[in-house]
Amino acid sequence: GAVVSQHPSRVICKSGTSVKIECRSLDFQATTMFWYRQFPKKSLMLMATSNEGSKATYEQGVEKDKFLINHASLTLSTLTVTSAHPEDSSFYICSARPSGGQEAFFGQGTRLTVV
Amino acid sequence: QKEVEQNSGPLSVPEGAIASLNCTYSDRGSQSFFWYRQYSGKSPELIMSIYSNGDKEDGRFTAQLNKASQYVSLLIRDSQPSDSATYLCAVIAAGYSTLTFGKGTMLLVSP
Repeated sequence: GAVVSQHPSRVICKSGTSVKIECRSLDFQATTMFWYRQFPKKSLMLMATSNEGSKATYEQGVEKDKFLINHASLTLSTLTVTSAHPEDSSFYICSARPSGGQEAFFGQGTRLTVV
Repeated sequence: QKEVEQNSGPLSVPEGAIASLNCTYSDRGSQSFFWYRQYSGKSPELIMSIYSNGDKEDGRFTAQLNKASQYVSLLIRDSQPSDSATYLCAVIAAGYSTLTFGKGTMLLVSP
């Protein structure tokens, strides 16, 4: 299957700082990437849809100024959590869909802990 | 309203048995259906996709789709303890590009 690489896998940061998470499709081009967050024992929550070369589409209730998404190329999307607070601690996961395809493949996820 | 319903489980089966996981969806126009497996603390892994009515087999996995009943299922034959995970049903509703996930069914396979 297609490979999506997400980095870092785990990060601890201080409250008030910003953290950038990268999502790369390694063996395919992805016009669209998706960002999710997941709290322990809860279901995936879609945060935003990232479109190459255009602004991301955020789901209702997700602050676009806090969760900055950049999709500058067909293989890379980044999520920056700005001014992180302890309540932002969560498991962030990206997925990517090959251009023209229906299946979406997930990265390994990033466990963010804000202290 | 796009909804995907799954029994949360846990579904417990003995090793070697067939595990049957079920999912219903609300949007009749949905065309694309997926099963993901998620181990605790890990991200989801795509195991099956199905787009037309009937069965689709891949190794020990069989996905079944019935659009008239708005029902999709996953059968796992010869279940192994390593199959113990949460299985997520996901649907792309008509006119959308995003996946709508069910809450997942936890499967426990006992040795």
